[in-house]
Amino acid sequence: NAGVTQTPKFQVLKTGQSMTLQCAQDMNHNSMYWYRQDPGMGLRLIYYSASEGTTDKGEVPNGYNVSRLNKREFSLRLESAAPSQTSVYFCASRSQGTDTQYFGPGTRLTVL
Amino acid sequence: AQRVTQPEKLLSVFKGAPVELKCNYSYSGSPELFWYVQYSRQRLQLLLRHISRESIKGFTADLNKGETSFHLKKPFAQEEDSAMYYCALISYNTDKLIFGTGTRLQVFP
Repeated sequence: NAGVTQTPKFQVLKTGQSMTLQCAQDMNHNSMYWYRQDPGMGLRLIYYSASEGTTDKGEVPNGYNVSRLNKREFSLRLESAAPSQTSVYFCASRSQGTDTQYFGPGTRLTVL
Repeated sequence: AQRVTQPEKLLSVFKGAPVELKCNYSYSGSPELFWYVQYSRQRLQLLLRHISRESIKGFTADLNKGETSFHLKKPFAQEEDSAMYYCALISYNTDKLIFGTGTRLQVFP
């Protein structure tokens, strides 16, 4: 099993450009999450999805949209990137009935 | 409000020294607390959870409800323990993990 995979690993955008970060898990988990990691801020939840077809805002949702395409995939979209969105983005998933979240390797995004 | 506080951004020790990474929380009810670790160039992974009362890689953490703390301890640090450590609690009414800001542990030879 690959676990949680994310693409791309690195991305550089110009202000105003759009892009979609992809996340997939092959563990048949119900819940999926998107976090951003910034120095001194820890991990902050952007959006999460408790099950296929549902999504909810986290702590810092502004400027982002998500899609839970199916049980495996949960994408994060930046419609108009801003320098403040320069960060490392992590996707995670969790199986119903357990507490452990499994993380992807991260996407390092730079917005110029 | 539900919150996790890690007061130290950086903790530096020499190999063989004891380590204590501090974590305090605020939560109404019975919390479920975790320590996650991120080694250099690796993904975040679960180190231990309080409910298991286990020792992983020599680390232990005891939940102290009176002091609302969940400090991570290891009696003798190793160089390979150098990493970023995050304390987290789960918010059951919202199905979310709440992370602290993290502490970077540096273990010098």
